[in-house]
Amino acid sequence: DVVMTQTPPSLSVAIGQSVSISCKSSQSLVASDKNTYLNWLLQSPGRSPKRLIYQVSKLDSGVPDRFSGSGSEKDFTLKISRVEAEDLGVYYCLQGTHLPLTFGSGTKLEIK
Amino acid sequence: EVQLVESGGGLVQPGRSLKLSCAASGFTFSNYYMAWVRQAPTKGLEWVASITNSGGSTYYRDSVKGRFTISRDNAKSTLYLQMDSLRSEDTATYYCTAGIYWGQGVMVTVSS
Repeated sequence: DVVMTQTPPSLSVAIGQSVSISCKSSQSLVASDKNTYLNWLLQSPGRSPKRLIYQVSKLDSGVPDRFSGSGSEKDFTLKISRVEAEDLGVYYCLQGTHLPLTFGSGTKLEIK
Repeated sequence: EVQLVESGGGLVQPGRSLKLSCAASGFTFSNYYMAWVRQAPTKGLEWVASITNSGGSTYYRDSVKGRFTISRDNAKSTLYLQMDSLRSEDTATYYCTAGIYWGQGVMVTVSS
């Protein structure tokens, strides 16, 4: 199975600051169709997960452009510029290239 | 408005069966691969099974293979998960997802 190593496990940031979350995979996530199936999701407290970004850097509809994704092969980053209070929760990376699909262990974002 | 509404969860004894349903509305259900993802209490997300948009192919994580069956009825816009020979480690909130869309989740508790 592809292991997704996500760091840091938690972050505490002030409103308006920027943060980055890293996700490293144990294998390349480039699929045979040349796409890279790396997603980022946010699970707000008491809520179901919500996808923010797919295929490394494509923002889902309605997701603020304060969120951005980057990376390639085995090394990926989610950046949140100008953090807002609504951004708190647990962020997960998810690889969809290889079966079984696997998630990172999550990064809990708290607001100072 | 897009909705995925899971049902069928509850408390069940080890070794017994349960069938989850997920009713979709607000999008063209038959265009999407669907999946079940679970989350044990206080834990991270774990992929369980996926099914192609036609239903012609299914995929499972090893720990549920032979015990769980994912299926869909595109005419009813409904996804299913038949869970047999349940174990305590299957205790979790089960989410149905189309990737971009997620349900609110349904709790399954396996305990004597």
